[in-house]
Amino acid sequence: DTAVSQTPKYLVTQMGNDKSIKCEQNLGHDTMYWYKQDSKKFLKIMFSYNNKELIINETVPNRFSPKSPDKAHLNLHINSLELGDSAVYFCASSSDWRNYGYTFGSGTRLTVV
Amino acid sequence: GENVEQHPSTLSVQEGDSAVIKCTYSDSASNYFPWYKQELGKRPQLIIDIRSNVGEKKDQRIAVTLNKTAKHFSLHITETQPEDSAVYFCAASTIQGAQKLVFGQGTRLTINP
Repeated sequence: DTAVSQTPKYLVTQMGNDKSIKCEQNLGHDTMYWYKQDSKKFLKIMFSYNNKELIINETVPNRFSPKSPDKAHLNLHINSLELGDSAVYFCASSSDWRNYGYTFGSGTRLTVV
Repeated sequence: GENVEQHPSTLSVQEGDSAVIKCTYSDSASNYFPWYKQELGKRPQLIIDIRSNVGEKKDQRIAVTLNKTAKHFSLHITETQPEDSAVYFCAASTIQGAQKLVFGQGTRLTINP
C-alpha cells in the first residue's frame, strides 16, 4: 500500500564500499527525485527523472549514479563511499512536472564508518 | 538559481498560542509554495500549499500567506497543540525542465504544554 517505498531503511557500511538504495512508487507519477538530508536537516535535491529521462542533475559527485529502469523506479548507486556521504536519502515523486507537491518515501539512513 | 531563506530556525510556543514561520525566496519565476511537516524519524509530509495567483489559503488551524511583490510567504498555526511539534519546511518551486522544489533550512517548532 505504501505510495513511495525505499529500501533499505537503514544502511551502515565502511568507507570505500559501493552501495545501492532502491525506490519504487505506485502512484503513477511521471517524475521521481532523490534528495539528501544532512545532519542539520537541510533537504537538497540531487537528481530528478521524468519518465526515465534525467532532467535535473545538481552538483553531485560522480560517485553518485541514479538509474531509472522505468518510470515507477529510481535507484541510487553510490561508489567509494565517504564519511561525508552519511545522511538520510529521500526518494520522492510528483504527479506532473509542473508544480505539484511531492510525496516522499520513508528515507534511507546511510551511515558510513 | 532559487534560494529560500526560512526563519526562525527554532520556535517554542505555549500550547494554545499561535506560531508563525516566515520564508523569502529569490526567483521571481517561482509560482508554487508548499509547506512540509517532518516529525522525528519520519518523512516530510505536505500540509498546505499556495500558488502565486492566491494571496492566502487556510485549512483549519493552518494558513499560508504569500506576498509576491516582496517574495515572502508565511505559515501560521493557530491554537497550537503538542502534536504540532515537528520540523517545518517551506519550499519554492521552479521549473528547470521539471519541477524542482528548493527547500528552506527548516524550523524546529516545539509546543510547550
